[in-house]
Amino acid sequence: KNEVEQSPQNLTAQEGEFITINCSYSVGISALHWLQQHPGGGIVSLFMLSSGKKKHGRLIATINIQEKHSSLHITASHPRDSAVYICAVTYGGATNKLIFGTGTLLAVQP
Amino acid sequence: KAGVTQTPRYLIKTRGQQVTLSCSPISGHRSVSWYQQTPGQGLQFLFEYFSETQRNKGNFPGRFSGRQFSNSRSEMNVSTLELGDSALYPCASSFYSGGRDEQYFGPGTRLTVT
Repeated sequence: KNEVEQSPQNLTAQEGEFITINCSYSVGISALHWLQQHPGGGIVSLFMLSSGKKKHGRLIATINIQEKHSSLHITASHPRDSAVYICAVTYGGATNKLIFGTGTLLAVQP
Repeated sequence: KAGVTQTPRYLIKTRGQQVTLSCSPISGHRSVSWYQQTPGQGLQFLFEYFSETQRNKGNFPGRFSGRQFSNSRSEMNVSTLELGDSALYPCASSFYSGGRDEQYFGPGTRLTVT
């Protein structure tokens, strides 16, 4: 069982739809990161959060520490949102080591 | 402010050769982490350097090594290359080391071993 589980693995949506990607982890963490990677592209950090909720444009990330669960929401999805979304966690201590989920491949159709 | 830069961006090597990849962090950042991304294993942590000291190392063979210089630039070296080393190698930088700092990724070096 992976330390970081994401669902769904694949997601197809129509332009304009509200999208939710889920991430769960097994032990206490320092912080949770949401990352984006377009096909053939590099990794971009979207959010880092350790509690509550963050919003950036059409993207919203939430985390529930007690339930060990985070969600990434995309409102009014657009074809340019098509990418792999990766959840990753750090466990603290004197290291930035990231443990990654397997990613969610999102395709938004026009 | 310039982002994280990595050189070279693409590299083709032959089995048995060795390779050195470079990562220049954002100015002022002292932590550099290296990762490997393959279709089969996804993203995996290689190692992290902070102020020229290795802070943590992932579960990779000793053929994978790294170092960090006083200007925070980091290099990773892979000796005796194997076909399975073909991957994207992104690095990430941050100001602190401790798991609570945002990490900024470079574009990665795509290594192909033939």
